[in-house]
Amino acid sequence: KAGVTQTPRYLIKTRGQQVTLSCSPISGHRSVSWYQQTPGQGLQFLFEYFSETQRNKGNFPGRFSGRQFSNSRSEMNVSTLELGDSALYLCASSPNTGTSGEKLFFGSGTQLSVL
Amino acid sequence: SQQGEEDPQALSIQEGENATMNCSYKTSINNLQWYRQNSGRGLVHLILIRSNEREKHSGRLRVTLDTSKKSSSLLITASRAADTASYFCATVGLSGGSNYKLTFGKGTLLTVNP
Repeated sequence: KAGVTQTPRYLIKTRGQQVTLSCSPISGHRSVSWYQQTPGQGLQFLFEYFSETQRNKGNFPGRFSGRQFSNSRSEMNVSTLELGDSALYLCASSPNTGTSGEKLFFGSGTQLSVL
Repeated sequence: SQQGEEDPQALSIQEGENATMNCSYKTSINNLQWYRQNSGRGLVHLILIRSNEREKHSGRLRVTLDTSKKSSSLLITASRAADTASYFCATVGLSGGSNYKLTFGKGTLLTVNP
């Protein structure tokens, strides 16, 4: 089985722009979660989707949004980029709903740099 | 917050030695997981221990959980240079309603010198 695929691997944007990151989960996995990783804050939970519905959300401003498609692929969008949004964005999938706190399978991440 | 906190922040050892990392947390959990991350890459799941378990083994890994002290430890025996990575604990607890959420600590950077 192919692993979790995130595209693009690297991205450079300027302040004020918006960006869309993509994540394809492992085949058969229905839950997709997104995390932001920075040296200062570590790994912070953004949101989790299951069956095209957002099931859980972290403490991020409304500029951060996401969605999940019927094939379980997910996208996250960040509008009006700020310098502080520079981070490694990680997507993770799991087979079920995530309600039992099962283990996550991570992609390699998208490294976003905001200039 | 139920975020786990790893200790130490960094650990440097020689190949063949054992490495022990600790994780403390604040609220009740459903389970606790350990992940490894090589520089700039995604996380890889190592082991999951449930709240009613006290110890678990997987190859050279040994994890303990003490819910009374709200702490866990990860022991890597006979370390190898390839074990060099950051190690994170993730606590799993309820996050509103019946949904669980994984919350990660800031990690321990382990360096194994050949």
